[in-house]
Amino acid sequence: DTGVSQDPRHKITKRGQNVTFRCDPISEHNRLYWYRQTLGQGPEFLTYFQNEAQLEKSRLLSDRFSAERPKGSFSTLEIQRTEQGDSAMYLCASSLRALRETQYFGPGTRLLVL
Amino acid sequence: QKEVEQDPGPLSVPEGAIVSLNCTYSNSAFQYFMWYRQYSRKGPELLMYTYSSGNKEDGRFTAQVDKSSKYISLFIRDSQPSDSATYLCAILIYAGGTSYGKLTFGQGTILTVHP
Repeated sequence: DTGVSQDPRHKITKRGQNVTFRCDPISEHNRLYWYRQTLGQGPEFLTYFQNEAQLEKSRLLSDRFSAERPKGSFSTLEIQRTEQGDSAMYLCASSLRALRETQYFGPGTRLLVL
Repeated sequence: QKEVEQDPGPLSVPEGAIVSLNCTYSNSAFQYFMWYRQYSRKGPELLMYTYSSGNKEDGRFTAQVDKSSKYISLFIRDSQPSDSATYLCAILIYAGGTSYGKLTFGQGTILTVHP
């Protein structure tokens, strides 16, 4: 069991650029979540996938954000035209249907927008 | 008002002390109560969860929930330097007949246990 993995771990970009993050959930976990965590705050829910279907999106997820989970495996989170306010840690979590209370988090991708 | 409020700390205690971490919540529909630990530059890891009022113990950790006052606590006995981390309370809610839970976190309490 390798746990939830995320790539890259760190990303520095200039304002206006597009970035894409990848999350590989624990194998056989059909539920996948994205959260955002800013400094000194707890994670905030962004979006949820059950298999390949995106079932909920937070109001925090503006039109510049898009997430996909093709074939219900890995997921990508893309931010277009990044802004300095997008600087945060982006966390991915996965869970197994039978143990839906337990969300396992990855190490996160730390984004800095200059 | 945030749905989950957590004492931000920071807390600094000597090794061996009993630590008390606290959160309050506002939504009675919340169903599961979790405590996560997050080391610096890492993702949160689940310590404990419970869904009923009362106490739940796991080794040196005790989670306490009081649904009548909407108050949750985590106690750490015999604290160790390796317990130094940010502790996050989180509430899981299943809303509108959904089959998944959305976590709402407190802001986290930074704990330092010094030798």
